[in-house]
Amino acid sequence: LAKTTQPISMDSYEGQEVNITCSHNNIATNDYITWYQQFPSQGPRFIIQGYKTKVTNEVASLFIPADRKSSTLSLPRVSLSDTAVYYCLGNTGGFKTIFGAGTRLFVKA
Amino acid sequence: DADVTQTPRNRITKTGKRIMLECSQTKGHDRMYWYRQDPGLGLRLIYYSFDVKDINKGEISDGYSVSRQAQAKFSLSLESAIPNQTALYFCATSEGTGSPRGELFFGEGSRLTVL
Repeated sequence: LAKTTQPISMDSYEGQEVNITCSHNNIATNDYITWYQQFPSQGPRFIIQGYKTKVTNEVASLFIPADRKSSTLSLPRVSLSDTAVYYCLGNTGGFKTIFGAGTRLFVKA
Repeated sequence: DADVTQTPRNRITKTGKRIMLECSQTKGHDRMYWYRQDPGLGLRLIYYSFDVKDINKGEISDGYSVSRQAQAKFSLSLESAIPNQTALYFCATSEGTGSPRGELFFGEGSRLTVL
């Protein structure tokens, strides 16, 4: 299982772009990189998943370099409601999904 | 209505009591999971089930048991609750295949306090 490392916390201001980088040096060939978002007292919610290069959806973009040893979640123009914990996971299936402590993002007005 | 429903949402109990947390889902998924979250920490897997006849231990199963009554129902029991089982418990479901791969769908959580 891919062990991931990400910053414990980050601060930002409304309207800024936020990039959260995650390292996963031992990611396996068949592992995908998945990001979840968790608000206080709620379950995590899937944000985005990718294997390599760039993936974009209505919420975020995910950049994965060719060596796949790291990935960057990009949140464009954050708002106060983006304050949450963001988890980076390398997984190949639900039961193998290991949640670390995540990155606590705090967006200020 | 939520796709993954947990009951109770909050429960306070005493040491030694038996507690059951229930989870039901309407997503039609075969796979169900129970996670535990302690303050400031990530989620840890307690048990998971790939179908009604398949139940597996996760990384922290000691002190817990589960029952998969039907495809849609997965219950977590604490036979004799102790204070260090005070935590937020989440039930989740996933498909066996499909895209995104292994996406988990979580319930709203059950907050358990053991005095």
